[in-house]
Amino acid sequence: DTAVSQTPKYLVTQMGNDKSIKCEQNLGHDTMYWYKQDSKKFLKIMFSYNNKELIINETVPNRFSPKSPDKAHLNLHINSLELGDSAVYFCASSHGAHFAARYGYTFGSGTRLTVV
Amino acid sequence: QQQVKQSPQSLIVQKGGISIINCAYENTAFDYFPWYQQFPGKGPALLIAIRPDVSEKKEGRFTISFNKSAKQFSLHIMDSQPGDSATYFCAATADYKLSFGAGTTVTVRA
Repeated sequence: DTAVSQTPKYLVTQMGNDKSIKCEQNLGHDTMYWYKQDSKKFLKIMFSYNNKELIINETVPNRFSPKSPDKAHLNLHINSLELGDSAVYFCASSHGAHFAARYGYTFGSGTRLTVV
Repeated sequence: QQQVKQSPQSLIVQKGGISIINCAYENTAFDYFPWYQQFPGKGPALLIAIRPDVSEKKEGRFTISFNKSAKQFSLHIMDSQPGDSATYFCAATADYKLSFGAGTTVTVRA
């Protein structure tokens, strides 16, 4: 199946832990994104990589660090997890930043992170 | 700071009715205006999009109306069906970023 796949789908962890979310796309896209969706369903961009280069880095705590080993993968590592980090994290990809608007972003199904 | 303001937060419509969702923006640098549809447990998916030099775009039962001077755009869902029940997000793009509205949860009653 051609898609954007994220793992894990659910992640429950204690405060202070470090966790990673992985994302892979097989669509041949060269731009990938991380979005955070809060409990009110608001979607906010966190990071974007184009050809492994960081092009968007929104005001996100330093505890969040993205890594893109190649164009098809974008991982998100979170250190010292806090209660407020609980949210659904979506990975997305698109055909280049310039074409993203016209052809749309393809989103993964999300990772529901719960910090207890 | 939300760059795209969306209303209403939720709406309920009878099967066969018309759903209307409104959005407004301030940033004149926005150069494309897509709408995304999200079902529970899924990621958003592109539904329809419009350029700012076009006043209306129709795809099947979905129509975007765009008013550049008022900096407003809206989504009309004609002949709403239960399968249309989802959360709809308007969005706008500028400088490689896709900025979303707060979302509207649409419930279509059979």
